Amino acid sequence: AQSVTQPDIHITVSEGASLELRCNYSYGATPYLFWYVQSPGQGLQLLLKYFSGDTLVQGIKGFEAEFKRSQSSFNLRKPSVHWSDAAEYFCAVGMNTGFQKLVFGTGTRLLVSP
Amino acid sequence: NAGVTQTPKFQVLKTGQSMTLQCAQDMNHNSMYWYRQDPGMGLRLIYYSASEGTTDKGEVPNGYNVSRLNKREFSLRLESAAPSQTSVYFCASSLLGRNEKLFFGSGTQLSVL
Repeated sequence: AQSVTQPDIHITVSEGASLELRCNYSYGATPYLFWYVQSPGQGLQLLLKYFSGDTLVQGIKGFEAEFKRSQSSFNLRKPSVHWSDAAEYFCAVGMNTGFQKLVFGTGTRLLVSP
Repeated sequence: NAGVTQTPKFQVLKTGQSMTLQCAQDMNHNSMYWYRQDPGMGLRLIYYSASEGTTDKGEVPNGYNVSRLNKREFSLRLESAAPSQTSVYFCASSLLGRNEKLFFGSGTQLSVL
């Protein structure tokens, strides 16, 4: 069965600084990988996804993520954080066959300081 | 577009009471899901419906039942609520259930006393 680890529970970044959120997965084959963002009191919104091909994927709101098979990682990055990026971020992994049942990580809460 | 609509937004129950959480989507999606979100646990799948007429257990189905009423609606029922079911519940939908994008509702905050 697939699993996801997000090792950082909280991260604080200064506005304008760069951001990297870590995600490691466990799956026997090449997985489908996702990053979702949850603003306070809201449901989750898809930031980006990786299925195959180019290992660097671009998403909405200026986010990108890089799939590294050798490290079983799919880290999320943004070159310059804005105060509105403060939210909780979830990495998720899906199987590459059959019906989608995503497994979510435990989330990383991003705080943005002035 | 409304997307995925959940009702109610908040609910307080006493132990042993029953209730149904409602979910409806207006995107003509085939697949629908119920997740619960607990601090430090992320989102865990309770039940899902791959298509109209089918439902299946997810990771944490005990204490819950579901009904896929039609293509639009997917309800979650707690027959005898327990404090361990205090959580935030999210309904989601996707077009085909093949690892495309999930669309989430805004959640139901449930407290069981």
